[in-house]
Amino acid sequence: AQKITQTQPGMFVQEKEAVTLDCTYDTSDPSYGLFWYKQPSSGEMIFLIYQGSYDQQNATEGRYSLNFQKARKSANLVISASQLGDSAMYFCAMREGGYGQNFVFGPGTRLSVLP
Amino acid sequence: DVKVTQSSRYLVKRTGEKVFLECVQDMDHENMFWYRQDPGLGLRLIYFSYDVKMKEKGDIPEGYSVSREKKERFSLILESASTNQTSMYLCASSITQGSNQPQHFGDGTRLSIL
Repeated sequence: AQKITQTQPGMFVQEKEAVTLDCTYDTSDPSYGLFWYKQPSSGEMIFLIYQGSYDQQNATEGRYSLNFQKARKSANLVISASQLGDSAMYFCAMREGGYGQNFVFGPGTRLSVLP
Repeated sequence: DVKVTQSSRYLVKRTGEKVFLECVQDMDHENMFWYRQDPGLGLRLIYFSYDVKMKEKGDIPEGYSVSREKKERFSLILESASTNQTSMYLCASSITQGSNQPQHFGDGTRLSIL
């Protein structure tokens, strides 16, 4: 069973506008972490932001924020004031358990920022 | 900053060859991982290692083996390369404890098998 779902294969956003990339997850473990990565066309995976299952507040890192709705099991990434350099693939991932060693990745969303 | 280095960005090999992909990390991480990435399929785990000489199969281990003789180095081996192993290969490392710790990735190796 797929544990991470990203329902948007591709998204377009106008430069300087905000965009939300969806991620839903499935786990029965009460302790887990959710991560977002960015992969530009050059191929490297860049860690963006983390949200823990016990965190009371939504995570923020600069222009990135996470809309975490635990009851709905969703962890959507919000990018504010989009820039051309934000065009990339974005992956949502989950790590289960305090000592969990493995990550599960979603299929990704390709974001294109239009000038 | 954590540095994960993959030996090649681009590699072209022939069917039947034995292929080695090397990965080195400099942060004393216990865990190391090999993924392959194909369009529309996301990242799929091939093997991971949680300690020296220890390894676990991931989701798609067939046709691959791994070696971890030293903590900092994790090698992926294609015993007899086939065209369906043409893909992007990503190495990652992470510490063991704490679910708030991300995986750190190398730049990837684009492997073509002719």
